Amino acid sequence: AQSVAQPEDQVNVAEGNPLTVKCTYSVSGNPYLFWYVQYPNRGLQFLLKYITGDNLVKGSYGFEAEFNKSQTSFHLKKPSALVSDSALYFCAVRIITSGSARQLTFGSGTQLTVLP
Amino acid sequence: DGGITQSPKYLFRKEGQNVTLSCEQNLNHDAMYWYRQDPGQGLRLIYYSQIVNDFQKGDIAEGYSVSREKKESFPLTVTSAQKNPTAFYLCASRRASGVNTGELFFGEGSRLTVL
Repeated sequence: AQSVAQPEDQVNVAEGNPLTVKCTYSVSGNPYLFWYVQYPNRGLQFLLKYITGDNLVKGSYGFEAEFNKSQTSFHLKKPSALVSDSALYFCAVRIITSGSARQLTFGSGTQLTVLP
Repeated sequence: DGGITQSPKYLFRKEGQNVTLSCEQNLNHDAMYWYRQDPGQGLRLIYYSQIVNDFQKGDIAEGYSVSREKKESFPLTVTSAQKNPTAFYLCASRRASGVNTGELFFGEGSRLTVL
């Protein structure tokens, strides 16, 4: 079975500092990995994805993520945090070989707070 | 603009009543999904549908029902059998044919509160 873990429920960072939101995964095949962001009482918005190729993936709003196969991780990063980045972030995983439409398995989410 | 529309945004229900949440998409996507979100638990899959007139149970289907009579529409009914229906419900869709990397597109959600 595939699973994804976000070990931190809450991450606080000062504005202008770099931020990292952690994600680790467990799959039996090659994973597709995703990051989504959710603002209060809104739907999820897609940020970026890793499918294959370069381990460093760049996405929306200046975010990037690094795929590390040996550590089974896909941490979300941003060089300089903004107050407007404060939101709930979800990591998700999908197995490439799966034929099921069940598709994505989501982590439990990490609340990011950027302090002014 | 293409997207997914969920309605209503907020809904209040008395115990024992069934309610139906609407989800419409004009993205021409084949697959549609319903998720439930509770604080600290992430998203849990309720039902999904890959094609019209076909749908499958997800991880927490008990107390819910769906239909897929049209490609664009995937309504969710929360029945009186659902023991704890107060939650935020999210509808999503995905293109299931052609170039497909699994990315989901989400609606803005419906918040159901049982009084």
